[in-house]
Amino acid sequence: QVKLQESGPGLVKPWETLSVTCTLSHGSIINNYWSWIRQSPGKAPEWIGYIHDSGNTEVYYRQTTNYNPSLEGRATISVDRSKNQFSLRLTSLSGADTATYFCARLVDAFDIWGHGTMVIVSS
Amino acid sequence: DIQMTQSPSSLSASVGDRVTITCQATEDIPNSINWYQQKSGKAPKLLIYEASNLETGVPSRFSGSGSGRVFTFAISSLQPEDFATYYCQQYLNFPLTFGGGTKVDIK
Repeated sequence: QVKLQESGPGLVKPWETLSVTCTLSHGSIINNYWSWIRQSPGKAPEWIGYIHDSGNTEVYYRQTTNYNPSLEGRATISVDRSKNQFSLRLTSLSGADTATYFCARLVDAFDIWGHGTMVIVSS
Repeated sequence: DIQMTQSPSSLSASVGDRVTITCQATEDIPNSINWYQQKSGKAPKLLIYEASNLETGVPSRFSGSGSGRVFTFAISSLQPEDFATYYCQQYLNFPLTFGGGTKVDIK
């Protein structure tokens, strides 16, 4: 049974960069679509983006990403094959980025989710 | 972006009641909609995919229907463990978008 576990800093300051990581257990990071979704308190989930790693050894064909334009280019998702992890980097943080960040597998639907990691942006 | 409008935003119901939730898309999404259940402090859980398909392990009292722009999610006989918030989500186009949610609580 595939399991996902997020890890994050908990508290970050405005204008800093957030890094959160999702570790995959009992499955392969290769040839699946992995997403980040966030949810501000009392709000609906918001899709951030996805990454797909084909396992191809050619760098150009290796990974595909797609991001929500609402993040205005601040989000980057990457994969670390050696650790079976994928990560989200979100720059120029503000209070509007305070949320629980979830990682999930995307197969048209988000069928497997992590438990989420709460991130508070505050000075 | 495709906007998903859920109604009602909240409802109160009793154990054994039939509950229905509607989700309307701003454009035709054929059957590209999923439904999730979220309990307080937990991640959403997939219940219905592709408008009407029950995810493995989900009780048959949950169902989904509809196509095009208007979709319905139903619980045939509400159980105590069903009190939660429910979300629809479209996957026809990026960005993937969720409805605003329907909170189901105890009458």
